[in-house]
Amino acid sequence: NAGVTQTPKFRVLKTGQSMTLLCAQDMNHEYMYWYRQDPGMGLRLIHYSVGEGTTAKGEVPDGYNVSRLKKQNFLLGLESAAPSQTSVYFCASSTLREYTDTQYFGPGTRLTVL
Amino acid sequence: DAKTTQPNSMESNEEEPVHLPCNHSTISGTDYIHWYRQLPSQGPEYVIHGLTSNVNNRMASLAIAEDRKSSTLILHRATLRDAAVYYCILLVGTALIFGKGTTLSVSS
Repeated sequence: NAGVTQTPKFRVLKTGQSMTLLCAQDMNHEYMYWYRQDPGMGLRLIHYSVGEGTTAKGEVPDGYNVSRLKKQNFLLGLESAAPSQTSVYFCASSTLREYTDTQYFGPGTRLTVL
Repeated sequence: DAKTTQPNSMESNEEEPVHLPCNHSTISGTDYIHWYRQLPSQGPEYVIHGLTSNVNNRMASLAIAEDRKSSTLILHRATLRDAAVYYCILLVGTALIFGKGTTLSVSS
């Protein structure tokens, strides 16, 4: 099992450029999440999905879009990158059980927007 | 939002026990207490969780106060590999709400 994988690991963008971050999980989990982590801070939830074809907003959704076309993949898109989106992005997945479910995190994508 | 309060940092020596405290005075009856940790340059990893009773697993123990307003993560014998940021989180629905956590330093 690879667990949760993220592509790419690093990326540098110029302001206004677009990109897509890919998250893949091989644990057959229903729930998937995208978080961002700024220096010295905890993680903040951007968007999440409770199943294939569904998405929902988290704490900081502005400037991002997501899609969950396949159960195992969760894509995070930046349509017009801004320096404020410089951060480390983490994807996670979990099972259906609320309150007790464990989230499994990927290794992160370090994004710099110049 | 259900919130937690943790010390910013703690220090420990290798091979010694570590007690990481967490206050959650606004906890509700259905909030589970979760602990995650984040090693340097890695994603968070699950450590342990509980509701009312104390819990043990291969990584740690979780002691929950009788009134549930506080809890303590116990690492029985700290190793250098345990140096990380430890997050105490109240799971609200399915969303983990991360604070700044406690940075644990372990010295040899």
